[in-house]
Amino acid sequence: QKEVEQNSGPLSVPEGAIASLNCTYSDRGSQSFFWYRQYSGKSPELIMSIYSNGDKEDGRFTAQLNKASQYVSLLIRDSQPSDSATYLCAVRSSGGSYIPTFGRGTSLIVHP
Amino acid sequence: DGGITQSPKYLFRKEGQNVTLSCEQNLNHDAMYWYRQDPGQGLRLIYYSQIVNDFQKGDIAEGYSVSREKKESFPLTVTSAQKNPTAFYLCASSSLAGVRTEAFFGQGTRLTVV
Repeated sequence: QKEVEQNSGPLSVPEGAIASLNCTYSDRGSQSFFWYRQYSGKSPELIMSIYSNGDKEDGRFTAQLNKASQYVSLLIRDSQPSDSATYLCAVRSSGGSYIPTFGRGTSLIVHP
Repeated sequence: DGGITQSPKYLFRKEGQNVTLSCEQNLNHDAMYWYRQDPGQGLRLIYYSQIVNDFQKGDIAEGYSVSREKKESFPLTVTSAQKNPTAFYLCASSSLAGVRTEAFFGQGTRLTVV
């Protein structure tokens, strides 16, 4: 059973701070890693994809991947109240069914 | 604009009734998925399809059925055999070729049993 684990939170950070969200996965064959943001009552929205070890930056977001340790993280710099949402980590294997497996998500609260 | 369209946004089902949720995509994606999300829970896979006229059960397929007669369409039927159908249903699609295989979601259908 392929598993993706996330701390459910909530993670509470002050406005302007760095929010750090973490995710671990069990399948060593995983090749593709994604972060989604889901506002309450809405569908998940893709915000970052990462495929190789290291960091990938996009605006205020940085995804970090460490395949040896089987973890992927998302950093949000200069956090804003509008970043308050649930962040879902998703992992996909390279072979077989290509089905993305999702974690349960981490709730982030950015308070003014 | 390319995207995934789910309808209806809200759906009410009476006890013993079958209902069908629509999912259409114009992204030319081969793979399509149905997930169920309960309050405070993650996404659980119901069914998926990687090619027309073929689909596979996910983790919680009991009480659900699907069809994939066209590449663009992947409707989900919630049957009367599904005893606890109240949930948020999400349809997604993705490419299977190349490196970029992100899944994109429709806006979801919220199903309530009345």
